[in-house]
This record gives sequence, structure tokens and C-alpha cells, in this order.
Amino acid sequence: GAGVSQSPSNKVTEKGKDVELRCDPISGHTALYWYRQSLGQGLEFLIYFQGNSAPDKSGLPSDRFSAERTGGSVSTLTIQRTQQEDSAVYLCASSPEGSTDTQYFGPGTRLTVL
Amino acid sequence: SQQGEEDPQALSIQEGENATMNCSYKTSINNLQWYRQNSGRGLVHLILIRSNEREKHSGRLRVTLDTSKKSSSLLITASRAADTASYFCATDTGRRALTFGSGTRLQVQP
Repeated sequence: GAGVSQSPSNKVTEKGKDVELRCDPISGHTALYWYRQSLGQGLEFLIYFQGNSAPDKSGLPSDRFSAERTGGSVSTLTIQRTQQEDSAVYLCASSPEGSTDTQYFGPGTRLTVL
Repeated sequence: SQQGEEDPQALSIQEGENATMNCSYKTSINNLQWYRQNSGRGLVHLILIRSNEREKHSGRLRVTLDTSKKSSSLLITASRAADTASYFCATDTGRRALTFGSGTRLQVQP
């Protein structure tokens, strides 16, 4: 079956612009995660969705970052008024029923803020 | 500092040699996982070891876990050029998301 997909694969934007990143999880997976990875670094947790529960937003670095998940499936991560330090690869992952046993990752979106 | 710290940060070996990577963590865990990442994009799950397990094998991979030392190791035997990638450990601490280390970059020379 299809894996996790993300779009766009690459995004170049100017400082101060807003961007939207999209994630399509594996069908039937109720848990969805967003991570950020700066060049040569590990993954930084951003936000977690599980079913209809309130999302865990504890990893969002500032109020310029927000995310939503519509219909328990597709998720959009929005970054407002982008800054150069927002440049990174944004990775989405999903897992069945919120299990942390295995997360299935998408290919990521590489964001470059000029 | 991070929950998971991999050591070494970078490793270069010849094809056929074994590669060993280590991971240390700070808080108690439910399980520890190793992931592989090619070219800075999506991660692939390799193996999971639970807190009550000490060793696990999967093909050419061997993972050990020492909860008393809060450390784990990943051994790749008979390495191949295709094993060149970054390897990350990730811990499940009961939070709803995994906590990842900063990774080991493995280069296998043909």
C-alpha cells in the first residue's frame, strides 16, 4: 500500500512569507507526527495528533507555527512570517493507533527561507 | 542536551567490516528503536528493543540494551556500501512521540 506522502518536496520562500506543508498519512493510521530536522541534526518533535483528541503541541517552537488535521487524515503544517532559522527538513510520520512501536516516515519537505 | 546521544558522530569503514554505533539516554524508557536515514530525507525503522530485553537480532543487525547504563548499541555485520546512511536511536519514554538522538553518519567504502 501507499506510504506517507508529503508535499511539496522542496519549498523555497522569502523571509516573512507564510508556507503550508502537507502530509498524507498511511490510510487507517490514527496517529500523525510532525518533526523538524536541521542540517546534520537529529529530529525535533513539533506536534502530535491522535484520533479526535486534542493535539500535543508541546514541541512547536513559536506561535508562528500551527498545524491542523482534517477528518483524521491529511495534516497541514503552517509557518507564518517565516524566518531564516525555519530552514530545515520537515518530516511527517504516522503510526497505527498512537503506538510508538514503529513510526512510518514520509520523504520530508525541504524548506529554505531566503 | 538530548535524551538520545549517538556515538560516534561519524564512522568510516571498509566494506565487509563491522560497524558499531552507540546510544546513551537519560530517562527510563519503554522501548528503544533504531532508524536509518538516507540522504537527509525520510527515516526507515530498523529494529525495536523493549526495556525488558537485552539483545535482539534482525538479519545483519544486532541491538543490545543495557538499562542499568542507559545505553544501547547497534552492530551492523559484514557491512556493504549500501549501508551508508545516518543511523538514529529513538526512545519511547511514555510521551506520545519518540525522542531522537543526533545520529551517527556511517560511510562504508567499497
